[in-house]
Amino acid sequence: DAMVIQNPRYQVTQFGKPVTLSCSQTLNHNVMYWYQQKSSQAPKLLFHYYDKDFNNEADTPDNFQSRRPNTSFCFLDIRSPGLGDTAMYLCATSRADTQYFGPGTRLTVL
Amino acid sequence: GESVGLHLPTLSVQEGDNSIINCAYSNSASDYFIWYKQESGKGPQFIIDIRSNMDKRQGQRVTVLLNKTVKHLSLQIAATQPGDSAVYFCADTGRRALTFGSGTRLQVQP
Repeated sequence: DAMVIQNPRYQVTQFGKPVTLSCSQTLNHNVMYWYQQKSSQAPKLLFHYYDKDFNNEADTPDNFQSRRPNTSFCFLDIRSPGLGDTAMYLCATSRADTQYFGPGTRLTVL
Repeated sequence: GESVGLHLPTLSVQEGDNSIINCAYSNSASDYFIWYKQESGKGPQFIIDIRSNMDKRQGQRVTVLLNKTVKHLSLQIAATQPGDSAVYFCADTGRRALTFGSGTRLQVQP
């Protein structure tokens, strides 16, 4: 089935140790998004790619970077995770208006 | 600033009853709205959408109502089931990325 896949589903890292989260899609959608969702809060957009065009939200910390090597894959790199970066990270894709979400990666920073 | 917000943080209903979840938006230029369901530990799941040229749209057991005069959106779930227990978000796609409301937790009592 066409879908949005995120790996790993759970990630534990140490304070300051870089971590990479991955997202892949078989929907062939041209737009991919990364959201951060903290406990009991709504998802918050970090950035998105429209094809290869990168769009960063104004309040996304510099600590968060992204790469999209091809249509199917998108990565979220956290260069020096802090305790406050513990959250669920959601990847989504779209072709038009509707966004389809992956299952998320739950990141814990110790 | 522009926002999409929800009236109630938690809604508790009896199994078999109808549920109504409300959402207010402030951007009069918003032209497309989506309701998502998010179960614990999972990504948001698309439920139903509506465009601003409509005032009602029905799906399977769900109905979305849009009142542009008062900038209000609601999600009605008929014959609520235990599997409907989740957090429900409305989202606005007035711009390319989603703006989520804060979410309403629906609890279905047996």
